[in-house]
Amino acid sequence: NAGVTQTPKFQVLKTGQSMTLQCAQDMNHNSMYWYRQDPGMGLRLIYYSASEGTTDKGEVPNGYNVSRLNKREFSLRLESAAPSQTSVYFCASIQGGGGYGYTFGSGTRLTVV
Amino acid sequence: RKEVEQDPGPFNVPEGATVAFNCTYSNSASQSFFWYRQDCRKEPKLLMSVYSSGNEDGRFTAQLNRASQYISLLIRDSKLSDSATYLCVVNFPGSGNTGKLIFGQGTTLQVKP
Repeated sequence: NAGVTQTPKFQVLKTGQSMTLQCAQDMNHNSMYWYRQDPGMGLRLIYYSASEGTTDKGEVPNGYNVSRLNKREFSLRLESAAPSQTSVYFCASIQGGGGYGYTFGSGTRLTVV
Repeated sequence: RKEVEQDPGPFNVPEGATVAFNCTYSNSASQSFFWYRQDCRKEPKLLMSVYSSGNEDGRFTAQLNRASQYISLLIRDSKLSDSATYLCVVNFPGSGNTGKLIFGQGTTLQVKP
């Protein structure tokens, strides 16, 4: 089915470990985003890629890096995980300039202990 | 002041009731507006876009008041299946063609039998 695929769905890390969250979309969308969702905070933008070859910081980029590998794939890396990064991470994509809303992946539930 | 503010609720209503949610946004330059629905432990899904003239989709009606900078969602004849969190979303002002969106923290609706 067409859409946004995220892996893994669940992950437990120890403080200081690193990992990469993968995201791929097969809708030929230009723009891709990484958000985190915490209770009472709503979704907050971590990084985004408006088009292939570009990436920019969002509202809460500290502790993360991203790679727009190609038009389909946008990965999020935690170099040294901290308990404050325990959250649900969502990847999203959109075709144009935001007038049509996002399609989200099903999320990655990350716990850092 | 948060950029997008919603009453978190919960709103507890009986089946068949009419319920309305409001949302305010801080930046008058925002141009695109949406309501998303998020079920427990699932990704947000686009419910409807909000147009200046107001728009309706079945039992759901969305209104935009640019002068007062608020958006509303009206649900008529509530169903048990409407129980979810409703997210108010606006585009990031000045974001050009990047498609960045700002999410409210959501309003929780519980429809009771």
